[in-house]
Amino acid sequence: DTGVSQNPRHKITKRGQNVTFRCDPISEHNRLYWYRQTLGQGPEFLTYFQNEAQLEKSRLLSDRFSAERPKGSFSTLEIQRTEQGDSAMYLCASRPRTANYGYTFGSGTRLTVV
Amino acid sequence: AQTVTQSQPEMSVQEAETVTLSCTYDTSENNYYLFWYKQPPSRQMILVIRQEAYKQQNATENRFSVNFQKAAKSFSLKISDSQLGDTAMYFCAFMIPNTGTASKLTFGTGTRLQVTL
Repeated sequence: DTGVSQNPRHKITKRGQNVTFRCDPISEHNRLYWYRQTLGQGPEFLTYFQNEAQLEKSRLLSDRFSAERPKGSFSTLEIQRTEQGDSAMYLCASRPRTANYGYTFGSGTRLTVV
Repeated sequence: AQTVTQSQPEMSVQEAETVTLSCTYDTSENNYYLFWYKQPPSRQMILVIRQEAYKQQNATENRFSVNFQKAAKSFSLKISDSQLGDTAMYFCAFMIPNTGTASKLTFGTGTRLQVTL
C-alpha cells in the first residue's frame, strides 16, 4: 500500500493554458474523489467516481473542468483555458467500498495560474 | 445543506500542555459521521479521529479525544500532552454515509495550531 499518489506536486501555468493532473489511488479502493482547497479554506468537493463511473459533480466544476477515471484505476483532472481563480490545491482521495470513513488523501497538486 | 464552522483561525499551545479546538455544525440529518483531519506543511490530509453520531461515547485515539455534543451540534477536539509534531492545520469535517450518493466530506475552514517550546 503506497498511499494515494498525485502528480505533479506543483504546476505553474499561464492563463489560458490547459493543465492535467493525475491521481493514483490505493489499488483496492473503488471510490475516488477530487477536492479543491483555496488559501485559508477547507477542501471543497469537486467530483466523485465509483469505479470508472463519474457519479457526482459539484457546481464548482465548471465546463472548463473535466475528470476521467478510465478502467476504474487512476484518474485525471483537466482544466481548460485556466483562469487565475483556478489557482488552488487540488486534492485527490480514495476509499474502499465497505468503509464509511477512512478517506486516504494524496499530498495534492498546487496549481498557480499567472 | 450541511455546514461546518471552526471559529478559531489560529491557536497556540506549549509543548506538553492541553489544547481544545472547537467545531460546530448544522444538519437536519440524524445519522452522520464527524472527523478531525490534520494537514501538516507536507500537505497530506491525515485522519486524526472520527465519531459516529449514533454513538454516545466520545471517541479517543491516544492523545486525541473529542467532546461530541449532538444536541448542541458541537464536536471539539482535545489534544493532550501536545507535541511539536502536532503543529498543523486541523479541519473538522462532516459526512452523511452511504445514501447512494458520494458520501462526500464537508470541511470547516480550519484552525492553525502552533505548538511551542
